[in-house]
Parts: sequence; structure tokens; C-alpha cells
Amino acid sequence: GAVVSQHPSRVICKSGTSVKIECRSLDFQATTMFWYRQFPKQSLMLMATSNEGSKATYEQGVEKDKFLINHASLTLSTLTVTSAHPEDSSFYICSAGPSGYQETQYFGPGTRLLVL
Amino acid sequence: SQQGEEDPQALSIQEGENATMNCSYKTSINNLQWYRQNSGRGLVHLILIRSNEREKHSGRLRVTLDTSKKSSSLLITASRAADTASYFCATDLTAGTALIFGKGTTLSVSS
Repeated sequence: GAVVSQHPSRVICKSGTSVKIECRSLDFQATTMFWYRQFPKQSLMLMATSNEGSKATYEQGVEKDKFLINHASLTLSTLTVTSAHPEDSSFYICSAGPSGYQETQYFGPGTRLLVL
Repeated sequence: SQQGEEDPQALSIQEGENATMNCSYKTSINNLQWYRQNSGRGLVHLILIRSNEREKHSGRLRVTLDTSKKSSSLLITASRAADTASYFCATDLTAGTALIFGKGTTLSVSS
């Protein structure tokens, strides 16, 4: 099946710093990627839809200036958590589906962020 | 926002028993999918059922979909300790849109 990678797999940072998470589709092109967040013992919540070559679409309650999304190519989307705080500590997961094939999406392995 | 509601929230069974998890959703859907997540790990795709399908099998998994009741069930037969995980249903409203996840069921299978 198609593969989606994320980097880094886990990151620890100090409060106030920014962290960039990469999501790559390794063997297909994706015009759209999705970013989810999962707090401990909770489900995945959609944060935003990343669109190649245009602005991301954010879900209600997600601050676009805090969670910067850049989808500069058909195989890479990045999520930058700016001025991270302890409450941003979470599991961030991306997904992507091959352009033109809408059947399903493939999820990355996730990035665990811990803000001290 | 969340689309699906799973029940039960937690389920504890013995190895060899069957486990049934239910999922309800609120709006019309394109597909419904079930995922497994081991503690602290990523998602594993289990099965996809289209809105025009009523039942699907994959190994020890059986999924049903009742669009009139906006509900789905996942049955795991002859459970094993390795089935211990959280299980989520997820729906997409139309093809190519984001998945909306239910709250999940935590399954614990003891040997």
C-alpha cells in the first residue's frame, strides 16, 4: 500500500519555541493532506486541510497563526507549531490520499510532541 | 467536530471470546472505515465499507453498516491478546474529504 512518513517521530521542546513536523507521501502525489491531533486517551480531531499551492483550511477553534501549514509540493506538507506551550503537547498525525483516487487515505505514523 | 460515537467506550474480554463494537454517526456518508491503534502508536487500517454495502469480512473481522440507522458494528471473532488496542470508526462525507473519527472503544483481551 501507499506510504506516508512523518518526521520527527517524537520531539521535546521548551515552551516558547517553534517545532516543524513534516508529512511526506513517499510513493504518490497528494494535492490534499490532512492534519489531526490526538490528546491522551482521546480520539483524533481534524485540525486542518492542507492544499498544495494554496492556503490551508482550518477547523473551527484551531488557530491558523499558531499552527502554520505549508504544502509546497505534491509530496510534502509541513505543520509548524509556533510558540509552543505545554498544552500543545499531543500526538500529531497526517494523512494523504493519491490525487485522483478518492477511495481512502493513508496515515503517517504520527509525531509525539512534548512541550516542557 | 466528531461524527461517530462508539460504544462501549471500554470492553474487557477473555481470549477466544468475540468482541463487538458499535459506531453511530450523524450525517450521510461516503465510506465508513475502522482503524486500530495500539497504545502510543499510529493507526492501522482494518476495513473500509462503502455506503452501498451492508456487510464486509476480512479474516476475523466482520463489519456491518446500516445507513438507515446511521450505525456500524465491528465484530472480532476468536479474540487474541494481540487484539488489545483502541478501535475507531471514521467516516468521510464525500470522496476525498477528511475523515471524522468517533471517540473509540478500548478493547482489552486477557489470556
